[in-house]
Amino acid sequence: AIQMTQSPSSLSASVGDRVTITCRASQGIRNDLGWYQQKPGKAPKLLIYAASNLQSGVPSRFSGSGSGTDFTLTISSLQPEDFATYYCLQDYNYPRTFGQGTKVEIK
Amino acid sequence: QVQLQESGPGLVKPSETLSLTCTVSGGSISSYYWTWIRQPPGKGLEWIGYIYYSGNINYNPSLKSRVTISIDTSKNQFSLKLSSVTAADTAVYYCAREVVVGARGGFDNWFDPWGQGTLVTVSS
Repeated sequence: AIQMTQSPSSLSASVGDRVTITCRASQGIRNDLGWYQQKPGKAPKLLIYAASNLQSGVPSRFSGSGSGTDFTLTISSLQPEDFATYYCLQDYNYPRTFGQGTKVEIK
Repeated sequence: QVQLQESGPGLVKPSETLSLTCTVSGGSISSYYWTWIRQPPGKGLEWIGYIYYSGNINYNPSLKSRVTISIDTSKNQFSLKLSSVTAADTAVYYCAREVVVGARGGFDNWFDPWGQGTLVTVSS
């Protein structure tokens, strides 16, 4: 199975900060990567698919980039509702595998 | 708008079989890949497997010997059975739809929507 490694595992940031989360795949996965946001007690929510495509309804402050093994999720200006845990997910092959998550906390 | 809802017992005894059903409303279960994903308390997400509406299935090798996913298109439902459970199977279980669309000579995939999740505790 492809291993997905996210960094950092957690970060503290302030409202308005630019935040970057990275995800590295153990082998090349083209652009077959999605980003999901999860708030406590809720199901994950799709933010980005195919590495850089913004899901309909997701604010434009979220963006994704990367290809091959290295990917990035960027929040350009952190808002109060963005404090959550973020997961990357490879959909290159089965079994699908997730990163371990990055918890974004309030500084 | 398609919605998913998990249902089933919240408590299962060790060595028994966990059984959950996901009901799809607002759209047909025909087409798409219907998926189960779980999350142990305080931990990350694990993909369990999918069933395609035609019956094609794919399971996570780590669970394959214990997992069965089935579909009932007449009821717009799909189900998960996990046998010989232990405390390690305690988790929130989510059902989700995997969308696959053709794009740029290949396919784009994503999971949307998800059910709200249901906590299953394995305990005597």
